[in-house]
Amino acid sequence: QLVATQSPSASASLGASVKLTCTLSSGHNSYVIAWHQQQPERGPRYLMKVNSDGTYSKGDGIPDRFSGSRSGAERYLTISSLQSEDEADYYCQTWASGIWVFGGGTKLTVL
Amino acid sequence: QVHLVQSGAEVKKPGASVKVSCKASGYSFTSYYMHWVRQAPGQGLEWMGWISPNTGGTHYIQKFQGRVTMTRDTSISTIYMELSRLTSDDTAIYYCVRDTDYWGQGTLVTVSS
Repeated sequence: QLVATQSPSASASLGASVKLTCTLSSGHNSYVIAWHQQQPERGPRYLMKVNSDGTYSKGDGIPDRFSGSRSGAERYLTISSLQSEDEADYYCQTWASGIWVFGGGTKLTVL
Repeated sequence: QVHLVQSGAEVKKPGASVKVSCKASGYSFTSYYMHWVRQAPGQGLEWMGWISPNTGGTHYIQKFQGRVTMTRDTSISTIYMELSRLTSDDTAIYYCVRDTDYWGQGTLVTVSS
């Protein structure tokens, strides 16, 4: 069964970098994922897709501070030069045979 | 520029139905699958299913089968999601999503007696 697992929370200081992780279930190492950001009281916004080879493609207007990568079954979202507006919930999402799966989300606090 | 504009907030009584619309613009409407995702207060994202704007074909997750109907009107580039037999557990913001990369602004559906 395809499952995407995220840590519930993360924190980092203003101006620092943070790496969020999405772990895919066993047997799904090659799956593409998407990252979405949801700022407080707002709807989700697509950030990027991270491919099985670790390359990534970002959505329109997503700053260069956001990047993606992978290692095995893990997919990463790295945010550098953290700004206050980066404080948000971050969801990973994957899919197989037309079925979508969301991770539980990571709440990022910018200190 | 891609835009997905959803209908306004709704308040419904338990047992009633709600129909949410999502009007697409800025791209070829029939070229991308459309999905519905909901988010209950303070909770994460829950995928409900998809519709093919090209064929009208649909897929719903088992949890909603028999209660949800997704349709489209290609003449006005709009999709619809109708949810019936509402309960308080259906209180949520409902989002349409183009494939993976564009989200509507969300529609709050409140179910209350």
